[in-house]
Amino acid sequence: EVQLLDSGGDLVQPGGSLRLSCAASGFSFHDYGMSWVRQAPGKGLEWVSVIRGSGDVIYYADSVKGRFTISRDNSKNTLYLQMNGLRAEDTAVYYCAKAQLGGYNYGPFDYWGQGTLVTVSS
Amino acid sequence: DIQMTQSPSTLSASVGDRVTITCRASQSINTWLAWYQQKPGKAPNLLIYKTSSLESGVPSRFSGSGSGTEFTLTISSLQPDDFATYYCQQYNSYQLTFGGGTKVDIK
Repeated sequence: EVQLLDSGGDLVQPGGSLRLSCAASGFSFHDYGMSWVRQAPGKGLEWVSVIRGSGDVIYYADSVKGRFTISRDNSKNTLYLQMNGLRAEDTAVYYCAKAQLGGYNYGPFDYWGQGTLVTVSS
Repeated sequence: DIQMTQSPSTLSASVGDRVTITCRASQSINTWLAWYQQKPGKAPNLLIYKTSSLESGVPSRFSGSGSGTEFTLTISSLQPDDFATYYCQQYNSYQLTFGGGTKVDIK
C-alpha cells in the first residue's frame, strides 16, 4: 500500500526557515517524480515544486523560486522541502504528492500525503 | 505559465442532478488534464487523468471530455458523497498548474 507521511510543519516568524519531510513507502520511490503542493487557508491548490525520480531535474513555481529548495534522499525514501525567507503568504497546508507514472512524467498525482501546516506569523 | 480557469466557482445542486464543470487553459494542453475531488480537511483525490480516463475505484458517474483548451467534468447523477470541491490540473508543462476550484454544495 502506497503511503506518504508529511511532517515538519510549524509556526515560524517571517524571514525564518523550515524543512518539511515526506516519508514514502509501498512503491519504488526512486522511479517516480514527486511534488509539493500547498493550500492556503480557505483557498485553492497551488503547485510548488517537482523533482524527478533521479533527483536531477527540478522545477519551481515562480512564487517560491530562489527561496525554497526541493530535494530527495532515495536511500531513505524521503522527499524534502527546505523553505527559507518565509513570508506570511507562505502560510498553508503543504502536501507531498506522487506522480502517477514514472520516468519524465511529473503529473498527475495519484497519491498524496495528509498535509502539514506551515504558519508564518510574528 | 499556463493559466487554468474553472467555472463556475460555486455550484448548487440536488441529489440526482447532472452536473458539469468547465476548465479552460490559457494555451493548448492537448489532453494532459486531470480532475481531483477534495473534501474539507482532506487531501485531494484523483478522479480523472488524461482528460477522460477514470482512475481506479472512481465511480462511473464521473466522466471527462475535451481537448486543447476546453475541458469538462460531468457527474451524471449527483450523489450525497459528491458534495465537495473539484479542481482541474494541467500537466502539459512542468509547471503543473491547478484551476481555482469549483465547490459543489447542496441546493
